Amino acid sequence: GEDVEQSLFLSVREGDSSVINCTYTDSSSTYLYWYKQEPGAGLQLLTYIFSNMDMKQDQRLTVLLNKKDKHLSLRIADTQTGDSAIYFCAERSGSARQLTFGSGTQLTVLP
Amino acid sequence: GAGVSQSPSNKVTEKGKDVELRCDPISGHTALYWYRQRLGQGLEFLIYFQGNSAPDKSGLPSDRFSAERTGESVSTLTIQRTQQEDSAVYLCASREASGGSSQYFGPGTRLTVL
Repeated sequence: GEDVEQSLFLSVREGDSSVINCTYTDSSSTYLYWYKQEPGAGLQLLTYIFSNMDMKQDQRLTVLLNKKDKHLSLRIADTQTGDSAIYFCAERSGSARQLTFGSGTQLTVLP
Repeated sequence: GAGVSQSPSNKVTEKGKDVELRCDPISGHTALYWYRQRLGQGLEFLIYFQGNSAPDKSGLPSDRFSAERTGESVSTLTIQRTQQEDSAVYLCASREASGGSSQYFGPGTRLTVL
């Protein structure tokens, strides 16, 4: 079945860039998503990328997709303390209707 | 408009009791999903509703779990004879009908089984 992997923790200094990485196994993935979850809150959709794209930029967020290596990354420029949260990568494959999530990366922004 | 809402936000119950969780999707969203998130883990798919089609129940962990949805409105997730391993946050998401659209999540219901 599908599998999505993420590193568990990332710490950066305020003002630096953060890069959160994700790998997936399903080559038929059509859409890949990044969600943000703050403590005690639900999931907030940050951005998504269609599998025929290799890059998408939205303000401070840049998503890079390497479809050959099945590698997805989320870059947050000028990281702020309010960016501290858990970031989930998820994929939606063509034949499935649900999302398959990674276990999340805890981003800690240090002052 | 309003986002996905869920109730209750927190539920504490005793082992063996039944619980019912409610989800109100975004108006006009025909697809509705239930997921479970155990502490420190990612989300596990439970069940999917799309319009009047038969639901996809492939993620339900046991026959103690069931869900209903009337048309394209409210859904309820019922857990019978709760066990301690059912303790988790239960998240609901909805999506428009078109194939490329994204899922929008509610705040979740935190279930604690004592």
